[in-house]
Amino acid sequence: AQSVTQLGSHVSVSEGALVLLRCNYSSSVPPYLFWYVQYPNQGLQLLLKYTSAATLVKGINGFEAEFKKSETSFHLTKPSAHMSDAAEYFCAVNSGGYQKVTFGTGTKLQVIP
Amino acid sequence: DTEVTQTPKHLVMGMTNKKSLKCEQHMGHRAMYWYKQKAKKPPELMFVYSYEKLSINESVPSRFSPECPNSSLLNLHLHALQPEDSALYLCASSQEGSSRTYEQYFGPGTRLTVT
Repeated sequence: AQSVTQLGSHVSVSEGALVLLRCNYSSSVPPYLFWYVQYPNQGLQLLLKYTSAATLVKGINGFEAEFKKSETSFHLTKPSAHMSDAAEYFCAVNSGGYQKVTFGTGTKLQVIP
Repeated sequence: DTEVTQTPKHLVMGMTNKKSLKCEQHMGHRAMYWYKQKAKKPPELMFVYSYEKLSINESVPSRFSPECPNSSLLNLHLHALQPEDSALYLCASSQEGSSRTYEQYFGPGTRLTVT
């Protein structure tokens, strides 16, 4: 069985502030983890993925995430928020049947000018 | 080209209508997916095609009928839908194989309203 939990359905940060979006996973096998972003009325776009090659993963648009097995976490961070980062962010895990990805419930990021 | 295209962008249909959603990719991906997404919710997997064969059906009602005519195209045929079927329908594709590392590429979706 696999699942992800995203703490905080809504996160607000000031422009220029640190962005931290939390994701914890549950998996009976080594997981592969993904962060996707969804802008309003659009599809999902991959930000980054963890595939066991390195625990610190760098993605697009200045985002990065660190895989911590001891904490079963894969939190997403960005040093300085930009207005264009306002969107819905989904953490996802694939640790079961390889075609099935389980998405978290999502975190809506608001960036305050 | 890393684009998945979907048509139409918006669709309004009555409960007695028959319509189809279309999805196309030219990335050489051999796995294609249909998801349903309600407002403020994550995508829910509906169907997966692998090498043009249906490999996963997540117990979707028969009023939704998927079709994969070839490796680049994926259709979703709709018939006798209910108002609660109104949602954003997303198509995605990915490489196929035994790896779980393959990310999915999503189209922009079709916003469906059932009246």
